[in-house]
Parts: sequence; structure tokens; C-alpha cells
Amino acid sequence: DGGITQSPKYLFRKEGQNVTLSCEQNLNHDAMYWYRQDPGQGLRLIYYSQIVNDFQKGDIAEGYSVSREKKESFPLTVTSAQKNPTAFYLCASSSEAGWDTGELFFGEGSRLTVL
Amino acid sequence: AQSVSQHNHHVILSEAASLELGCNYSYGGTVNLFWYVQYPGQHLQLLLKYFSGDPLVKGIKGFEAEFIKSKFSFNLRKPSVQWSDTAEYFCAVSGYNNNDMRFGAGTRLTVKP
Repeated sequence: DGGITQSPKYLFRKEGQNVTLSCEQNLNHDAMYWYRQDPGQGLRLIYYSQIVNDFQKGDIAEGYSVSREKKESFPLTVTSAQKNPTAFYLCASSSEAGWDTGELFFGEGSRLTVL
Repeated sequence: AQSVSQHNHHVILSEAASLELGCNYSYGGTVNLFWYVQYPGQHLQLLLKYFSGDPLVKGIKGFEAEFIKSKFSFNLRKPSVQWSDTAEYFCAVSGYNNNDMRFGAGTRLTVKP
């Protein structure tokens, strides 16, 4: 089935460690996104990418990094510089940035807990 | 940058009651507007969207929303809620290129049977 796969679903990390969250889509979508979901704050945009080898910072990019080497993959690294990394992370994708429906398709999410 | 405000954090209704969830946005340009829903234990999914044309848009499961440009609002409505509508609802806005969608804080709806 087509969709977005995020892994791992649950991840524990010690302070000072970097961790990478995987996001893979087989929907042939051009655009991919990372959001952070915190209770009472909704979804906040971390990074987005419209095409391969290009990405832009969202509202809360500090302490995070991404890459977009392949169309289907958009991994997110939570670095030790992120001051409050414990959160639920959602990856999403959409077809053609610009002229299409704009509907985002979401993965199941990854819950990161920093110990 | 655009922003989205949802006025209600938690709404509790009885079945058959009418629903209206408020959403206001701030953006200096043409916008596309969305409502997403997250049912317990499920992915976020699109409920309805507005791009252009008729400002009253209809979505799945009997939901509708009205775009009022002068008020920068896109409120979600349903005439009669069901227990199965219990979920969290997110309003979202994107610019013309749909490449930087922003979400509101969400409204948790609890429908009592």
C-alpha cells in the first residue's frame, strides 16, 4: 500500500546524543515536511522540502537538521543542540508544491523521549 | 509568516448538538485553508479544504466550513455531531504554493453519547 513510513515509532535518547528519525514515502510526492506536535501547541513546522536536494527551515528549525538526497526519503536529525527534544514528530508529504490539492499525507509519527 | 488561531482548546458536546469550531488566520496573500482531523490512535487526515470559488466548502462526514475573507476566518461546522466525531481538529493555512503549511493548536472535541 502507498503511504508514509516513519521509524522508529518510539525512541529513547540520552541527553547529548544526536538521533535520526526516518521518513520514507512511496507516493511519488515532491514535497515532504517535518512537524513537531506538542500538547496544546498543535503542529509546528520544523523543515520542509519541495524537491530533491533542497529544503527550507520552518518555524522551529533550531537544533534540527534534514537532508533530501532522494525523492522518497526525508530524514530528520535531532541534535544535542535542541533544548527540548522530547516530543511527537510527524512526517508528511504532498504532491506537487504549487498547483495540486495541497493535501498533506501523514505518517504515524515517532515519539522521542530524552532521558 | 502566517499563523493560525483556534479559539477553543476543548469542546464537549452531547450527541445531536451542533458544532462550530473557530479558526482565524494571519497571512498577507492568497491562502489555501484546510481542516484536518485526528481520530484517537489514527493518522491526521484531511477533512476539507478551500482553494477558491464557493466560500462554503463541504467535507467528509457532514462537515462544512465557511471562508470569510473579511474576517480572516474559516470556521468548521456540523449540524449534528455523533459520538464518532470525538477527535482533535486542526485548522491549517498555506500560501499559494502550498509549501509551508501552518497549523493551529488544535481543538479537542469530545462528544458524549
